[in-house]
Amino acid sequence: EVQLVESGGGLIQPGGSLRLSCAASGFTVSTNYMNWVRQAPGKGLEWVSVIYSGGTTYFADSVKGRFTISRDNSKNTVYLQMNSLRAEDTAVYYCARGYSELDYWGQGTLVTVSS
Amino acid sequence: EIVLTQSPATLSLSPGERATLSCRASQSVSSYLAWYQQKPGQAPRLLIYDASDRATGIPARFSGSGSGTDFTLTISSLEPEDFAVYYCQQRSNWPLTFGPGTKVDIK
Repeated sequence: EVQLVESGGGLIQPGGSLRLSCAASGFTVSTNYMNWVRQAPGKGLEWVSVIYSGGTTYFADSVKGRFTISRDNSKNTVYLQMNSLRAEDTAVYYCARGYSELDYWGQGTLVTVSS
Repeated sequence: EIVLTQSPATLSLSPGERATLSCRASQSVSSYLAWYQQKPGQAPRLLIYDASDRATGIPARFSGSGSGTDFTLTISSLEPEDFAVYYCQQRSNWPLTFGPGTKVDIK
């Protein structure tokens, strides 16, 4: 059974850093495209980043230069390193598998950026 | 960036009625369009991909159509569990973008 479990969210002050984890089971992250999608409270979905099976990465303009995405094949886990956090980064962060469509999603982890 | 527009913003219907949701792209996305359902407190669930293909386990009452810039999600007869927010998403060009959503609520 495919499962994605996010962790690492929490309350962080503006300018701080946080690393989110997405532990996968039932498939191998290194042979799939893995994405991060966020949803601000009461708002819609915003794609954040992707890591290709070959290692290529892309980012939304809103996070470019502040966020990085990586994976640990031995742990079958994908990470989102978030630096220089802003209030507008407050959201539930989901990891999701897929290239064209996102067929599996985790339950999400809440990141709150506030002083 | 391709902008997706969804209409209506809210659709108020009764169980058993037909729901027709629209998604329009600012430029052609060919058939690279997906639809998701999201219920409160839950992650989105993939319903339709490539504009008209149902994802695994999705009931036949959900169907998608369209290509280019205009797409439709149809729910043939609403079940109580179908009242939710629906998002379209394109993957024709980076970045991947979502529409603002259509809320289907109970009339």
